[in-house]
Amino acid sequence: QVQLQESGSGLVRPSQTLSLTCAVSGGSISSGGFSYYWLRQPPGKGLEWIGYIFHSGSTYYSPSLRSRVTISVDTSQEKFFLNLTSVTAADTAVYYCARCALDFYSLDVWGKGTTVTVSS
Amino acid sequence: QSGLTQPPSVSGAPGQRVTISCTGTRSNIGADYNVHWYQQLPGTAPKLLIYGHNIRPSGVPDRFSGSKSGTSASLAITGLQAEDEADYYCQSYDSSLNGDMVFGGGTKLTVL
Repeated sequence: QVQLQESGSGLVRPSQTLSLTCAVSGGSISSGGFSYYWLRQPPGKGLEWIGYIFHSGSTYYSPSLRSRVTISVDTSQEKFFLNLTSVTAADTAVYYCARCALDFYSLDVWGKGTTVTVSS
Repeated sequence: QSGLTQPPSVSGAPGQRVTISCTGTRSNIGADYNVHWYQQLPGTAPKLLIYGHNIRPSGVPDRFSGSKSGTSASLAITGLQAEDEADYYCQSYDSSLNGDMVFGGGTKLTVL
C-alpha cells in the first residue's frame, strides 16, 4: 500500500529556511484522485495544515503561512517538498506529509512525521 | 487555526460508551461538507478513523462510529478499551474566505 516518509533538517536556526522532503512509495504521485499535504503539530497542540500540491504542480497554501511557504513536486522521483522561510521558534513542530483523497477530502495516508526544532 | 470546536478531554471506564462532539458552522459542517475523524495514539502520526461522516476504513473496529446533524458531528466509541486512549481530531472543509481544510482542536480520551 501507499506509504509516505518525511526527511530533512531536524534543527534549523532562526531566520533560516526549513526544508523537508516527502517520499511516496507503493503508488504514484501522478495517479489521479489525490492531493498531497504538508501539516504540522506544535508540541502539545493540535494539527495545522500548511499547504498542498497536485501532481500537476498546482499549489494552495494556508493564508497564515502563505508568504513564507513553497511546496513543489518531482513526479519522476515520487517526492514532494516543503520550504518554509524566515523561521522562528513558533515553527517548532512535528511536520507531517499526508495524502488527501479528493472524493471525500480526507487524509487517508500519513507519514510518521519528523520533528523540526528552531533554535540557535 | 482550529475552525471546529471539540471538548479538550473525555473519559470513560473500560466497556463503557463515550462520545466526542465536533461543532462547526454553516460554512463547514453545516454546509454539508464531509466530516472525518482521526485517532492519534501517543507519539504516533494521526490515522484516519472515520471518513464521510460514518465510513470506517478497512481494519477499524465497528466499535467506532460517526454521525452528523446540522452544524455538529460526533464520534462514538462503544466497548471502550485501554488501547483507545488517544487524541481524536475531527476535520472538514470550510468554504469561508480563509477556508479549506479545518480541524478541531483535538480531544484527549482517557480510559479510566
